Amino acid sequence: AQSVTQPDIHITVSEGASLELRCNYSYGATPYLFWYVQSPGQGLQLLLKYFSGDTLVQGIKGFEAEFKRSQSSFNLRKPSVHWSDAAEYFCAVGGERDDKIIFGKGTRLHILP
Amino acid sequence: GAGVSQSPSNKVTEKGKDVELRCDPISGHTALYWYRQSLGQGLEFLIYFQGNSAPDKSGLPSDRFSAERTGGSVSTLTIQRTQQEDSAVYLCASSLGHPGYTFGSGTRLTVV
Repeated sequence: AQSVTQPDIHITVSEGASLELRCNYSYGATPYLFWYVQSPGQGLQLLLKYFSGDTLVQGIKGFEAEFKRSQSSFNLRKPSVHWSDAAEYFCAVGGERDDKIIFGKGTRLHILP
Repeated sequence: GAGVSQSPSNKVTEKGKDVELRCDPISGHTALYWYRQSLGQGLEFLIYFQGNSAPDKSGLPSDRFSAERTGGSVSTLTIQRTQQEDSAVYLCASSLGHPGYTFGSGTRLTVV
């Protein structure tokens, strides 16, 4: 069965520092991978997605993620965070054989001024 | 419409009452999904509709939960005899087909 693990429930970084949010997945075939962001009181917004091809995916708001099949990971990165990046981030996995997407439990990002 | 619309945005109900939550997907989107987001639990898949196919109900937590989609468009999620553990944000999403959804803003359900 497909599953997603986000090992960090909370992460705190200083404004301007780099960020990496971890995501590991389990899926029996070629995965489709996603990162969504949810700001307080807001809905979920798609940051980026990976289907195939280049394993380094660029998204909105300066985020990128790298698919590493050997590690079953899809970590999200940003070189320099801004206070407005404080939010909850969800990694998700789906695939050609599964039309539904399964989400991780999320990582809440806190930004120090 | 321009986005996925959910109503009501907030619902407070008494334990034991039935509630209906509505989702209006993006026009032309063939797939519609319901998820539940409880505090600290991430997003839990509930049910999925694709065109005229039988829905995937594998995520519904109990037989008190049901959903329908009329005319391949609007969907209603019904929770019968609500319990306090049903309190959560119920999110709807739609897509043209895999992969990637557009989410609505959700309905926050509080059972008192």
